[in-house]
Amino acid sequence: DVQLVESGGGLVQPGRSLRLSCIASGFTFSDYGMTWVRQAPGKGLEWLGVIRSESYGATTDYAASVKGRITISRDDSRGIAYLQMNALKTEDTGMYFCSRVWNSWFDPWGQGTLVTVSS
Amino acid sequence: EIVLTQSPGTLSLSPGERATLSCRSSQSVSRSNLAWYQQKPGQTPRLLIYATSNRATGIPDRFSGSGSGTDFTLTISRLEPEDFAVYYCLQYGQYGSSRGFSFGPGTKVDIK
Repeated sequence: DVQLVESGGGLVQPGRSLRLSCIASGFTFSDYGMTWVRQAPGKGLEWLGVIRSESYGATTDYAASVKGRITISRDDSRGIAYLQMNALKTEDTGMYFCSRVWNSWFDPWGQGTLVTVSS
Repeated sequence: EIVLTQSPGTLSLSPGERATLSCRSSQSVSRSNLAWYQQKPGQTPRLLIYATSNRATGIPDRFSGSGSGTDFTLTISRLEPEDFAVYYCLQYGQYGSSRGFSFGPGTKVDIK
């Protein structure tokens, strides 16, 4: 079965950094792009960024709202995608999901990891 | 950035009724780059429709998608109790020198 498991969330103070991980299994990780999406409490889905497969140069694109503060990377040898977030703000609080990119849609999704930014 | 608008914000219907959800884009979106998701409270989003009109694996045929250009629609022909949820559209596109995805704000389908 295809499975994605996020980790690395938790309570972090404003201004600090955090790195989330997404461990993939059940498919050939290197063949796919990976994406990160977040959801603030009680709010909708917000796309954060994508990293394409090595076949597409492992290029990245980011949402304008977070560009410059986040970096998405991947380790194909370990089947892990990462989301590095810097200069965290209280409004970054939410559930963070990773998902596999299939053409131009996301499927499946991980269960998410909760990030709380608070002093 | 391509902005998606979904309407209505909330749709109050009874089981057995037809639901029509709209997703409009600020720029033209390729039919191959428009998808729909369902999310229930406490659950992860579930892919319903990809490339405008293709049902994902295991999605019942009461769900259908249509549209082109800037106007897309998700239709649930006869609401079942398990269909009451929030629905999001997702697009991928290029704008200027940038590329990226965006979600609509969602339509909540609740029980009347």
